[in-house]
Amino acid sequence: DAEITQSPRHKITETGRQVTLACHQTWNHNNMFWYRQDLGHGLRLIHYSYGVQDTNKGEVSDGYSVSRSNTEDLPLTLESAASSQTSVYFCASRVDRGTGELFFGEGSRLTVL
Amino acid sequence: DQQVKQNSPSLSVQEGRISILNCDYTNSMFDYFLWYKKYPAEGPTFLISISSIKDKNEDGRFTVFLNKSAKHLSLHIVPSQPGDSAVYFCAASAHNAGNMLTFGGGTRLMVKP
Repeated sequence: DAEITQSPRHKITETGRQVTLACHQTWNHNNMFWYRQDLGHGLRLIHYSYGVQDTNKGEVSDGYSVSRSNTEDLPLTLESAASSQTSVYFCASRVDRGTGELFFGEGSRLTVL
Repeated sequence: DQQVKQNSPSLSVQEGRISILNCDYTNSMFDYFLWYKKYPAEGPTFLISISSIKDKNEDGRFTVFLNKSAKHLSLHIVPSQPGDSAVYFCAASAHNAGNMLTFGGGTRLMVKP
């Protein structure tokens, strides 16, 4: 079955370290997204991509970067982790820019000490 | 400023009764609305949606109502079951903004046996 997977599921790191969260989908979806979930804020968009070599900033992009070198993967990098980036991160994908369903991964819980 | 708001962080309902989850939005350009359901340690999953050309959409025990003049939508679950206990996110999108989803803060529903 096609799916979307995230790794690692749990990560503890220290302030100032670089961290990369992986996202891999096998649906061949063009659109991929990264969200963070924080209490009271719901899901906030960090970065998104409409296709290979395309990346765009979302609502809370400061301190994060993404790259899209192929259809299947959209890794999220925290260049210098900060305690404010402690959160649960969700990757999602969608076939295109239509109103089709957004499929989410199971999430990556990141703790920055 | 949150464009999509879920003012009730939590809701407790008895099994068999109706659960009503509410959502308000401020952006009049939103033309598609969705509800997602999230269990602990899992990613959100799509539940039901409604286009702005409709005022009601029903799928089994789940019904979404849209009041465009009030910029308000609600999700009704009848009858509520313990398995419905989860966090529910309201989301909205606009066709002229690439159908990018904006999420509310979520409502935790607890259905008591």
